Amino acid sequence: EVQLLESGGVLVQPGGSLRLSCVASGFTFSSYAMYWVRQAPGKGLEWVSTIRGSGSNTYYADSVKGRFTISRDNSKNTLYLQMNSLRDEDTAVYYCAKRADSSGNDLKIDYWGQGTLVTVSS
Amino acid sequence: QTVVTQEPSFSVSPGGTVTLTCGLSSGSVSSSHYPSWYQQTPGQAPRTLIYSTNTRSSGVPDRFSGSMLGNKAALTITGAQADDESDYYCVLYMGSGISVFGGGTKLTVL
Repeated sequence: EVQLLESGGVLVQPGGSLRLSCVASGFTFSSYAMYWVRQAPGKGLEWVSTIRGSGSNTYYADSVKGRFTISRDNSKNTLYLQMNSLRDEDTAVYYCAKRADSSGNDLKIDYWGQGTLVTVSS
Repeated sequence: QTVVTQEPSFSVSPGGTVTLTCGLSSGSVSSSHYPSWYQQTPGQAPRTLIYSTNTRSSGVPDRFSGSMLGNKAALTITGAQADDESDYYCVLYMGSGISVFGGGTKLTVL
C-alpha cells in the first residue's frame, strides 16, 4: 500500500525558514517523480514543485522560485521541501504527491499525502 | 500570465449528468496540456479522478469521464450522487515542467 506521510509544518515568522519532509512507502521511491502541491486556507490548489526520480531535474512555480528548494534522499525514501524567506502568502497546507508513472514532466498524480500545515505569521 | 479557467460553481440533480470544463484565458486546451482532474471535499486531501485527458485513476468509477470539448478539457459526471458534492480542480501542463491549476468548481448536488 502506497503511503505518503508529510511532517514539518509549524508556525513560523515572515522571513523565516522551514523544511518539510515526506516519507514514502509501498513503492520503489527512486523510480517516480514527486510533487509538492499547496492549498492556502479557503483557496484552491497550487502546484509548487516537481523533482524527477533521480533528483536530477527540478521545477518550481514562479511564486516560490529562488526561495524554495525541492530535494529527495532515495536511500531514505524521503522527499523534502526547503522553504526560505517565507511570506504570509506561503501559509497553506502542503501536500506531497506521487507521479502515476515513471516518466514525463506533467502533473500526473496517483497518490496524495494528507498534508502538513505551514503558517507564516508574526 | 496564462490563467486556467473553470466555472466557479455548478449544480446538478441527483442522477443527472454534468460537464465541468477547463480552459485557458488565452488559447485552446489540447491533449498536449495533459489535463488532469481532482476531487476534493472540505478538510480532505485531493483525490485523483482523471489524468492525461481521459485516463481514469485506479478505483475511480466509470461515471467519471474526461474528454476534450471544443477548445477546453472536460470532466463529465453521469448519474450524479450526493457524495459527488465536492470541489473539482483541473490542472494543465504548460511545458518546461510547469503546471497550473484552475481555480476550481464547487459542485452542488441538489
